[in-house]
Amino acid sequence: GENVEQHPSTLSVQEGDSAVIKCTYSDSASNYFPWYKQELGKGPQLIIDIRSNVGEKKDQRIAVTLNKTAKHFSLHITETQPEDSAVYFCAASKRTGANNLFFGTGTRLTVIP
Amino acid sequence: EADIYQTPRYLVIGTGKKITLECSQTMGHDKMYWYQQDPGMELHLIHYSYGVNSTEKGDLSSESTVSRIRTEHFPLTLESARPSHTSQYLCASSQVSSYNEQFFGPGTRLTVL
Repeated sequence: GENVEQHPSTLSVQEGDSAVIKCTYSDSASNYFPWYKQELGKGPQLIIDIRSNVGEKKDQRIAVTLNKTAKHFSLHITETQPEDSAVYFCAASKRTGANNLFFGTGTRLTVIP
Repeated sequence: EADIYQTPRYLVIGTGKKITLECSQTMGHDKMYWYQQDPGMELHLIHYSYGVNSTEKGDLSSESTVSRIRTEHFPLTLESARPSHTSQYLCASSQVSSYNEQFFGPGTRLTVL
C-alpha cells in the first residue's frame, strides 16, 4: 500500500517569510496529491491539489511542486500571514475516487507576527 | 464551505454508554468516510462506504460500527464507550467518479470519562 511521509512536523516562521512543507510517497501508481489545511476546531479543508501530469501548480500565495521521479511533492507558502497558522496535511491517491487518500502525519505551522 | 455536517460537535459521556455520532452531507456524494484524529494530529481512516448498504473497515482497527442506509447519512456507533475511545472523529465525503477530493465535516470531539 501507499506510505506518505511528511516533514517537518512543526514549523515556525516570521510573518512575511516563506514556508515549505515536504512529502514523499511510496506507490508510483499514485497520481493525485492534495493538500489540506486544518484550523483549530475545524475539519481539514482542501487548499490546493496537483495531478501527476503537471509539475507545478500555483494559486496566489500557495504553490505545490511534484517530482514524480523522486516521488516527492512540496507545498510552498509565500508572504506568510498569521491566518496561515494551522495544521497542514499532504495526501496521495490513485486517480479515481474509488481509491482512498493516504495522509501524511501533518505539519503544525505557526506564523509569528 | 462544504455541505457536510456532524453532530454533536462535543460529547462528554461516561464509560459503558452507547453513543452515535451523526454525519450528513447534502452534496449527493456516494463515498463517505470516518477518520479518527489523534491529539498529535495524525488522521486514521476507520470506516468508509462506497454507497448505500456498503461499509468497509479502514486502516485503523476500531470498535465502532457504521451503517449506510441513506446516501446522505453515515452514522458511527460505539456500543459501549471506553476512555480509550476519547478522540476527535472526522467525517468526510467524496464522489467516486472524480479525483479523490474529500470534503470534511467540522468533527466531533468525544471524551469518555
